[in-house]
Amino acid sequence: ELKVEQNPLFLSMQEGKNYTIYCNYSTTSDRLYWYRQDPGKSLESLFVLLSNGAVKQEGRLMASLDTKARLSTLHITAAVHDLSATYFCAVDGTSGSRLTFGEGTQLTVNP
Amino acid sequence: EAQVTQNPRYLITVTGKKLTVTCSQNMNHEYMSWYRQDPGLGLRQIYYSMNVEVTDKGDVPEGYKVSRKEKRNFPLILESPSPNQTSLYFCASRGFPHAEQFFGPGTRLTVL
Repeated sequence: ELKVEQNPLFLSMQEGKNYTIYCNYSTTSDRLYWYRQDPGKSLESLFVLLSNGAVKQEGRLMASLDTKARLSTLHITAAVHDLSATYFCAVDGTSGSRLTFGEGTQLTVNP
Repeated sequence: EAQVTQNPRYLITVTGKKLTVTCSQNMNHEYMSWYRQDPGLGLRQIYYSMNVEVTDKGDVPEGYKVSRKEKRNFPLILESPSPNQTSLYFCASRGFPHAEQFFGPGTRLTVL
């Protein structure tokens, strides 16, 4: 059974600081997704990582994937208040029909 | 506009009263899924469908039914809802295996 773990689950940081959210998963997969969810809203796709060593960046967020270590990171650079949200990673099963999600990391960026 | 729609967005009902949550996508996607989101548990897949008339159980299928009679629609049916099915439900679709998945706006269900 595929398990996906994120840490930390709660993150409070100051504007301007850097931090990293980690996503570990239990079985072989080379497809990982990051989503953002604002309170009361749906999930918005941030990054799709489809191979070992994949790195994608959008604004202050950068995601990477190490399939050998079964680890993805979401790095936040110089955080701003607008980044406050819950971030989920999700891993694809081998058939491509099922995504397994982590518990989510609730990020709060304080002025 | 490419989108996944769900109805209703909010629903309060009583134990045992059958209900259906509709889901529709206009992107001609083959794959559709239903998830429930509960605090501290992330999103868990209920059912998924790989094409018309092809469905399979996800991680938490008990108490739910689905059907896929048309490519665009994937309704979620609760034949006898119970309070432990109070949750936030999301429908999602993707065009092919491992593609980006698009989520609907969510349906907040309360079962009294």
